[in-house]
Amino acid sequence: GAVVSQHPSWVICKSGTSVKIECRSLDFQATTMFWYRQFPKQSLMLMATSNEGSKATYEQGVEKDKFLINHASLTLSTLTVTSAHPEDSSFYICSVGAGTSSFRTDTQYFGPGTRLTVL
Amino acid sequence: QKEVEQNSGPLSVPEGAIASLNCTYSDRVSQSFFWYRQYSGKSPELIMSIYSNGDKEDGRFTAQLNKASQYVSLLIRDSQPSDSATYLCAVNPGNTPLVFGKGTRLSVIA
Repeated sequence: GAVVSQHPSWVICKSGTSVKIECRSLDFQATTMFWYRQFPKQSLMLMATSNEGSKATYEQGVEKDKFLINHASLTLSTLTVTSAHPEDSSFYICSVGAGTSSFRTDTQYFGPGTRLTVL
Repeated sequence: QKEVEQNSGPLSVPEGAIASLNCTYSDRVSQSFFWYRQYSGKSPELIMSIYSNGDKEDGRFTAQLNKASQYVSLLIRDSQPSDSATYLCAVNPGNTPLVFGKGTRLSVIA
């Protein structure tokens, strides 16, 4: 399947600071990327869908001004958690969907995730 | 609302046995179905996809699909302790992100 990387793999920050997480599609051009959040022992929660060159579509209840998503190229999407608070501590996972490649475009391939801890 | 239902488990099976994981979905127009495996603290990994009614085998894994019953299952033969993980069923209802179930936790006892 498609190879997806995330950076950083883990980050600890102080309350009130902003954190940027990068998601890269390494072996194909991803027109669509997805951002998920997962709290311990809970299920995946879709936060937003980002399409290259356009504004992200946020799921209900997700604050677009707090979770800034930029999908400026076919291989890179970023999620910035602004003014992070301890309740934002979670496992953030990106995935890539539709793209121009031989990989199936009806499924999603996940990055390794970024564990965020806000003190 | 599109839903995917799974038994949360835990499902405990002895080493060497067959583990059977089940999933039902609500959207009849869904055409693509997937199983992901998620180890604790890791991200989901795609292990099987199925698109047609019937069985699809890949090594020790067999996915089964019954669109009339809106039912998908995953069988794991000769279960190993390394198969212990949460298994997520996912459905593509078309032009939207995948809809995931909450997952079934499998524990293979040595």
